[in-house]
Amino acid sequence: KAGVTQTPRYLIKTRGQQVTLSCSPISGHRSVSWYQQTPGQGLQFLFEYFSETQRNKGNFPGRFSGRQFSNSRSEMNVSTLELGDSALYLCASSLSTRGAYNEKLFFGSGTQLSVL
Amino acid sequence: GESVGLHLPTLSVQEGDNSIINCAYSNSASDYFIWYKQESGKGPQFIIDIRSNMDKRQGQRVTVLLNKTVKHLSLQIAATQPGDSAVYFCAENGGGATNKLIFGTGTLLAVQP
Repeated sequence: KAGVTQTPRYLIKTRGQQVTLSCSPISGHRSVSWYQQTPGQGLQFLFEYFSETQRNKGNFPGRFSGRQFSNSRSEMNVSTLELGDSALYLCASSLSTRGAYNEKLFFGSGTQLSVL
Repeated sequence: GESVGLHLPTLSVQEGDNSIINCAYSNSASDYFIWYKQESGKGPQFIIDIRSNMDKRQGQRVTVLLNKTVKHLSLQIAATQPGDSAVYFCAENGGGATNKLIFGTGTLLAVQP
């Protein structure tokens, strides 16, 4: 079974631009979460989607948004990029049968975003 | 932020020895915990999880211990191998119905041949 797939693997953008990152969860997994990883702040939760609805949100500004499609694939968008948005963005999926919580979370390899 | 980026603690062990990685979690309401391994250039890899109704759980070469009294988790790796060299993170759910995980700062495990 294929793991969580994230594209692209690397991105370079300039300040003020916007970016869209893509995530395909493990087949059959219905919950998708996004995390930001930086050397200074570590791993921080951005948001979680289940059944095309945002179920939980972390403490990030509104420039960070996401969505989930009917096939469970997810995208996240960052608008008006700032230098501090440079990070590894990780997507994770879990089975969430019948919307269950607190299940194993499996991560993709991430998208490394550099903002110049 | 909830995960503070501090200097990454390092545990150096000899190949074949047992490793113990410790983690102090922050929220007494947390009832689900996971250990992850992250190698350079890769995403976190699931190792083992434990719920608060247990105090010990074993996997292949790994054991997780949970002490809720002092809010402490540990990951024991038996017969450590060079391939175990990585950063190890503990994560907690903060309690309740959520898939949000709060990660610790991580520990770098360096296995000496």
